[in-house]
Amino acid sequence: TQLLEQSPQFLSIQEGENLTVYCNSSSVFSSLQWYRQEPGEGPVLLVTVVTGGEVKKLKRLTFQFGDARKDSSLHITAAQPGDTGLYLCAGAPSPGAGSYQLTFGKGTKLSVIP
Amino acid sequence: GAGVSQTPSNKVTEKGKYVELRCDPISGHTALYWYRQSLGQGPEFLIYFQGTGAADDSGLPNDRFFAVRPEGSVSTLKIQRTERGDSAVYLCASSPSGQNTEAFFGQGTRLTVV
Repeated sequence: TQLLEQSPQFLSIQEGENLTVYCNSSSVFSSLQWYRQEPGEGPVLLVTVVTGGEVKKLKRLTFQFGDARKDSSLHITAAQPGDTGLYLCAGAPSPGAGSYQLTFGKGTKLSVIP
Repeated sequence: GAGVSQTPSNKVTEKGKYVELRCDPISGHTALYWYRQSLGQGPEFLIYFQGTGAADDSGLPNDRFFAVRPEGSVSTLKIQRTERGDSAVYLCASSPSGQNTEAFFGQGTRLTVV
């Protein structure tokens, strides 16, 4: 069973601060996705990283995929109250049986205080 | 439609009853997924359809759970003899093809078994 561990589980910061969220596994993933989920809504895809060492930027969000494709990080610069939400990482395993199911971490609940 | 639609948004049922949860995927998406999200957890995979067939049902917890997608579009998740432990948010997602694991999620159905 592939597991993804996210840390921290909860994070409360002041507006304007920077933060990093981590997603770690002992398993290799063919790709890793980051989602943001708000209460009462389904997860919304932010980014997919595919290549080991890949870095993608989405405005103030920077996503990195580890060289070995086992871990990833999400860095937010100058956090805004609108960044508040549950951040989920999800890994897609290498092709094979059941290869289209995503394995999700438990998420990081971020609160940005104005 | 513009997005994945799930009905009902909320369902309260008595222990032992039968429930059906409906998912309307994005038009043209051949791949459809059901996930279950318990409080404080990330989504857990239940079943994946490619077209009309269940390509991977390894996440269904037991034989009380069943899902169909008879015409390759709308899907119904069926739960028999509901138990209090079945209470969770049931999420449906679709993607253009099974090889593209970037999933678009619906808002979920919150099931409460009392």
